[in-house]
Amino acid sequence: DTEVTQTPKHLVMGMTNKKSLKCEQHMGHRAMYWYKQKAKKPPELMFVYSYEKLSINESVPSRFSPECPNSSLLNLHLHALQPEDSALYLCASSPRGGNEQYFGPGTRLTVT
Amino acid sequence: LAKTTQPISMDSYEGQEVNITCSHNNIATNDYITWYQQFPSQGPRFIIQGYKTKVTNEVASLFIPADRKSSTLSLPRVSLSDTAVYYCLVGDRTFGNEKLTFGTGTRLTIIP
Repeated sequence: DTEVTQTPKHLVMGMTNKKSLKCEQHMGHRAMYWYKQKAKKPPELMFVYSYEKLSINESVPSRFSPECPNSSLLNLHLHALQPEDSALYLCASSPRGGNEQYFGPGTRLTVT
Repeated sequence: LAKTTQPISMDSYEGQEVNITCSHNNIATNDYITWYQQFPSQGPRFIIQGYKTKVTNEVASLFIPADRKSSTLSLPRVSLSDTAVYYCLVGDRTFGNEKLTFGTGTRLTIIP
């Protein structure tokens, strides 16, 4: 298995909802990442997990809560989001860390 | 992290070779240069990575001069399917230092 999968592909949620995004990889990569991408902008790093431990949090609001239950799985729990949080959320993994990352197709999130 | 500068956009005709140059004047000794390709509503795709001189794979070539203050991604004989945004990134490859920062990228349009 040589890919990163993300579910769901699309998600619409209200500002009072709680939802979760899921990311999975079975390539044995020990670093996993969450990015946020707004339309026509580059991806912005949100969180980095190295060996299942959170190593980088780019000052992301607490309404976004990451979780890494095991080395293959990464979740992003969402709660009380704002309309401006609508974006493409990308997950990535890396075999060696650094610049070589493999991205999933993303979850298109719309907050109403 | 070294800042990168790329042209905002480029146009080219099908079948031609396309060269996209990236400037990174304050690249550090441990930094590698990495290029990604992104299609609309998809995750970025790792294309190529290098440290110095020339690297070639089945998709592209990467040319890095001796001073490493710039790099050129070369796409041979482009087709319409190469229309995408191309990002140049510079950073340390050490595991645990994964603050991958995307610049504005170059929007490449291939004309039939």
